[in-house]
Amino acid sequence: QKEVEQDPGPLSVPEGAIVSLNCTYSNSAFQYFMWYRQYSRKGPELLMYTYSSGNKEDGRFTAQVDKSSKYISLFIRDSQPSDSATYLCAVHSGSARQLTFGSGTQLTVLP
Amino acid sequence: NAGVTQTPKFQVLKTGQSMTLQCAQDMNHNSMYWYRQDPGMGLRLIYYSASEGTTDKGEVPNGYNVSRLNKREFSLRLESAAPSQTSVYFCASSALMGGDGYTFGSGTRLTVV
Repeated sequence: QKEVEQDPGPLSVPEGAIVSLNCTYSNSAFQYFMWYRQYSRKGPELLMYTYSSGNKEDGRFTAQVDKSSKYISLFIRDSQPSDSATYLCAVHSGSARQLTFGSGTQLTVLP
Repeated sequence: NAGVTQTPKFQVLKTGQSMTLQCAQDMNHNSMYWYRQDPGMGLRLIYYSASEGTTDKGEVPNGYNVSRLNKREFSLRLESAAPSQTSVYFCASSALMGGDGYTFGSGTRLTVV
């Protein structure tokens, strides 16, 4: 079993929809949670960074962490075609030497 | 502010040829990483350097070698390229071994024929 599981999609939604992207993880030691966005033929870029449980909002993006169920989510409100990308979740225990990534979810927002 | 710079951006090799992928960061980060990304496989860690002077194997190190030349530069070498090494290679850096997240380069697209 992988340490981080992510539904690969692909996910296709109409413009303006609310998008929910999710990951589950198995190790309760993880305490830093991130979402990366990767446009086609580009490197991943850090989108959201959260420490421990709770919500973090940045514009149309909300990251949510539920440590009790080992579940992390990224919500995109009023989705735009420019949000079309692959989204990768990533986790870190604080003592690890590298990030652990999910496999990524490919999102397409249709105009 | 360039961040993480990878060279070359594209490369075609013949089976058995060797090459070195270069990576440099200007953020004074301690840790540097090399990943490969293949369709359906996600990001897989090849090698990493937690700090200057150290290197460690990741998930898929076979067929690769690395050198942490100094704090800024971390190179990846393919000694005898194989078609299975056709991939997109990303270099990344971090101040806190990933705890603060990574900054990625733009990638090198390598094709081995």
